[in-house]
This record gives sequence, C-alpha cells and structure tokens, in this order.
Amino acid sequence: QVTLRESGPALVKPTQTLTLTCTFSGFSLSTSGMCVSWIRQPPGKALEWLALIDWDDDKYYSTSLKTRLTISKDTSKNQVVLTMTNMDPVDTATYYCARTPSLGGYSFDYWGQGTLVTVSS
Amino acid sequence: QSALTQPPSVSGSPGQSVTISCTGTSSDVGSYNRVSWYQQPPGTAPKLMIYEVSNRPSGVPDRFSGSKSGNTASLTISGLQAEDEADYYCSSYTSSSTSWVFGGGTKLTVL
Repeated sequence: QVTLRESGPALVKPTQTLTLTCTFSGFSLSTSGMCVSWIRQPPGKALEWLALIDWDDDKYYSTSLKTRLTISKDTSKNQVVLTMTNMDPVDTATYYCARTPSLGGYSFDYWGQGTLVTVSS
Repeated sequence: QSALTQPPSVSGSPGQSVTISCTGTSSDVGSYNRVSWYQQPPGTAPKLMIYEVSNRPSGVPDRFSGSKSGNTASLTISGLQAEDEADYYCSSYTSSSTSWVFGGGTKLTVL
C-alpha cells in the first residue's frame, strides 16, 4: 500500500525559509524510474507543480520558483524534503507531495493529504 | 495564468456525457503522451483518473476516458453521476522548461 504524508510548519513569517518533509511508504525512491514531486495549491486556486526528484538524484524545478527551491531525498528514511526560501504571503497554499513514476508517464499517481502553510507576520 | 487552458466550468445532468478540454502547445500536450487528469472533490487531495492520455488506473470507472488531438487533450465522463461533481485538472510534461504544468482546473457541476 502506497502512502505519502507531508509534514512541516503550519505558519511561517515573511522572508523565512519553509522546510517540508514528505514521508512515504509502499515504494522505494531507489527503484529505477521512481520519482517524487511537490505540488501546491493556493486556497481556491489551481494546482502548481514545484519540483521533482528522481531515483538517480536528478532534480527538476519550476522555472518561476527555481531560485528559491531545493529538493532532496533520504532514501534510507523514505523521505523527500523541500525547502523554499524567502517566503511571501502569496506562497500561502496547501503543499502536496506525490509519487511520480516514469512508468505511468510521470503522472502523479499517489498523493499525500496535503499540508496547509500560511505565510503571515 | 496556467500553462494549460481548461474551461472554468462544465455541467451536465445525471446520465449525460460531458467533455473537458485541455489546450497546450507543441512543447507539451502536442508532443508528449505524458498527459494526465485529476479529480479533486472539495477539501480533498487530487486523485489520478487518466494517465498517458487515455489509460485508466485500476479502480477508476470506465465511464472516464481520455483522448488527444494535436495540442488539445480531452477528458470525457459518460453516464454522469452525482459523485462525479468535483474540480478536474489536466497536467502535462513540457520540454520548454523540463518541467510539468497544470491546467487552471474545471468545475464540473452535476445538475
């Protein structure tokens, strides 16, 4: 059974750095073709893809947010971490992590429940 | 503004069929079969409904089907049911920035 769970602070102040952790089970990020993505959704708005890390530790980022994002993995702990610097109120959103296997066309086939992050002073 | 264009809303009566379009460019939908569709009822995480343009994951009813023509992908839901009422999003890989993009979402109302 594949599960993912996001964890991190519910509230961050403007200019602070956000660190989110995705803890997963039911698959291994060391398996060839396996990837994990981060996706966010501001309240009442559309989904926005942020970053992807693959089994080979290759990393891909949203062009518009690339300078602020870092994605990393700890295969032994089954975790993927996303950091986003210089947080702003417009970054208020629910942040999701999702499994993204290459076999399946890199679709987001399993999602966590999401974690709401509010940026406010 | 989202990279992929979807109609903001569609509606249909129970038993009818509806189609949601997703228009991209030759850098994404037009060039790759990495198009997927997601269903998101209010207050829940998205759920994969279609991957690689027209494939259904296990457990997704065959009332849901996907297709693509040129730069436009489509999701068709036949035999509408009340439980289908949700927001639907398309997504595609894009080579223009080696990344993934979503549509702006379509709210399906079952009348």
